[in-house]
Amino acid sequence: KNQVEQSPQSLIILEGKNCTLQCNYTVSPFSNLRWYKQDTGRGPVSLTIMTFSENTKSNGRYTATLDADTKQSSLHITASQLSDSASYICVVSLLFSGGYNKLIFGAGTRLAVHP
Amino acid sequence: GAVVSQHPSRVICKSGTSVKIECRSLDFQATTMFWYRQFPKQSLMLMATSNEGSKATYEQGVEKDKFLINHASLTLSTLTVTSAHPEDSSFYICSASQKREGNSPLHFGNGTRLTVT
Repeated sequence: KNQVEQSPQSLIILEGKNCTLQCNYTVSPFSNLRWYKQDTGRGPVSLTIMTFSENTKSNGRYTATLDADTKQSSLHITASQLSDSASYICVVSLLFSGGYNKLIFGAGTRLAVHP
Repeated sequence: GAVVSQHPSRVICKSGTSVKIECRSLDFQATTMFWYRQFPKQSLMLMATSNEGSKATYEQGVEKDKFLINHASLTLSTLTVTSAHPEDSSFYICSASQKREGNSPLHFGNGTRLTVT
């Protein structure tokens, strides 16, 4: 069964600290893995997109890693800010024949950054 | 960057009425648009995939006669919740892609909060 599992479910950290969010998936055949940030009451915003050949990708203070062999990804946030408080969603793309993709969403990690 | 506009952002309607939600790609042509529903503290659940010029593909368990999708042009898709009931109250989000395949970026609207009284 194609699934995406994220951990932890929620996380509280102090401003300025680093944190790492985890994503494990069982999606096959794999096309790409995406991390999104979703503020409360808003649509998700893309942070990174990685194909199976990419091990790491950065976007400012966000760094995503991908291990296609173990089917694990992580999102590392450096020097957290209050504005980082949001849900972080891991999305894995399932590749169909003809190049069509279907997205499998994780349940998200709710991050709260406290002053 | 690519922008997807969703309207309205909030809507309150009475039970039994219909509500239309619009999703527009403002600066690109979207061959494919997706509609999602999100309940509190849960992730997005795909409802249907809409390709311009063809019928929408609905996910299992989603009633196509209740959630009408029209992808009228390369920049506009609409979701109509027909005969809404309180259990339809949710956060509805659309997303759009320029291409059907590969690693095309997916751009999300800011969602519509539907409350059915």
